Amino acid sequence: SYELTQPPSVSVSPGQTASITCSGDKLGDNYCHWHQQKPGQSPVLVIYQDTKRPSGIPERFSASMSGNTATLTISGTQSLDEADYYCQTWDNSAMIFGGGTKLTVL
Amino acid sequence: QVRLVQSGSELKKPGASVKVSCKASGYTFTKYAINWVRQAPGQGLEWMGWINTNTGNPTYAQGFTGRFVFSLDTSVNTAYLQISSLKTADTASYYCATGGGDYHWGQGTLVTVSS
Repeated sequence: SYELTQPPSVSVSPGQTASITCSGDKLGDNYCHWHQQKPGQSPVLVIYQDTKRPSGIPERFSASMSGNTATLTISGTQSLDEADYYCQTWDNSAMIFGGGTKLTVL
Repeated sequence: QVRLVQSGSELKKPGASVKVSCKASGYTFTKYAINWVRQAPGQGLEWMGWINTNTGNPTYAQGFTGRFVFSLDTSVNTAYLQISSLKTADTASYYCATGGGDYHWGQGTLVTVSS
């Protein structure tokens, strides 16, 4: 079955830039979306259709796609950005999630 | 604004059934499909399938056939997830989320299955 691969964890110092990657054999063929989930909360969409930011999401969140690897970038990372981040796409009419990346701000 | 409000936590015994609701507001209900996503304790997100809010046609992901049923009541803009013959392994948070690329999530419903 199709899989999306993310690093299990990423650490960043406050104010620095965090990058989270997501790779999959066919990821470049379909849109990639990114969801943020803080502890005890439901997920929130932070990036859709590879690079678009929903209204209300801070400008420090951005994303890019190169080949079959998507990258979520958080500039000027704040402590409130500490969360799990999931990439997501569609393949053969099935929604696929990456395994998630725990972002630690320390 | 788009809002999905789910029913409250449930505690069930093995073998019982549960029905989780997801009430939509702030948009035309038939504009977006409804996806269902499971998250076991301490685990990642797992897609269960989706239901077409125009036709009521459900699509189930592998591993979610047989005991899982998606349904709608368009008169009250609500989608439902019913799970029968509950097992302890069904203990999880269940989320509804709109489709269409601009995803909106419900707050989740914790279903605990324990004897």
